[in-house]
Amino acid sequence: QQKVQQSPESLIVPEGAMTSLNCTFSDSASQYFAWYRQHSGKAPKALMSIFSNGEKEEGRFTIHLNKASLHFSLHIRDSQPSDSALYLCAVSSANSGTYQRFGTGTKLQVVP
Amino acid sequence: DAGVTQTPRHEVAEKGQTIILKCEPVSGHNDLFWYRQTKIQGLELLSYFRSKSLMEDGGAFKDRFKAEMLNSSFSTLKIQPTEPKDSAVYLCASSYGTGENTLYFGAGTRLSVL
Repeated sequence: QQKVQQSPESLIVPEGAMTSLNCTFSDSASQYFAWYRQHSGKAPKALMSIFSNGEKEEGRFTIHLNKASLHFSLHIRDSQPSDSALYLCAVSSANSGTYQRFGTGTKLQVVP
Repeated sequence: DAGVTQTPRHEVAEKGQTIILKCEPVSGHNDLFWYRQTKIQGLELLSYFRSKSLMEDGGAFKDRFKAEMLNSSFSTLKIQPTEPKDSAVYLCASSYGTGENTLYFGAGTRLSVL
């Protein structure tokens, strides 16, 4: 069964810093990889997703996928206090049901 | 466009009660999901429907949890009987389905079982 794990559990960074969040998965046949952001008391909201190896950049956010090492990451350039939230990674695979399985999240705090 | 609507936002139940949570997905979406969110376990799948057909029923949650999709625009999650360990946030999400996997979540129902 697919296992999805995130690191670190929590992170405090200064405003303007680069933030890196990690996600590992266990099923090498996984096909879809996504990051969601959840502000306190709010619904999770999709940030970015990727299907194939490599990088994808959207504004201050970059997602990087390495299927061979069963790892993908989210990088936030010039982190802002408004980026403070719980970040959830999600993976789906035809072998494990086509629904997205989530990690337990990384709680990010960006301090001014 | 309306997003995913969940009601109620908060629910308090006594142990042993039956509660029903409601969800209206985004219009036109084919897939509907119920997840439970706790700090320790994160998001766990309870049920997954595609075009109103049950695709996954969340294994460990079968005995007291029952989700139904009465039509393409309305779903319910019944918990019967409730136990204190069911205290969590219940999230409903929908997506277009094959080829477009982005999940759109509702704000959730926070359930407290006393």
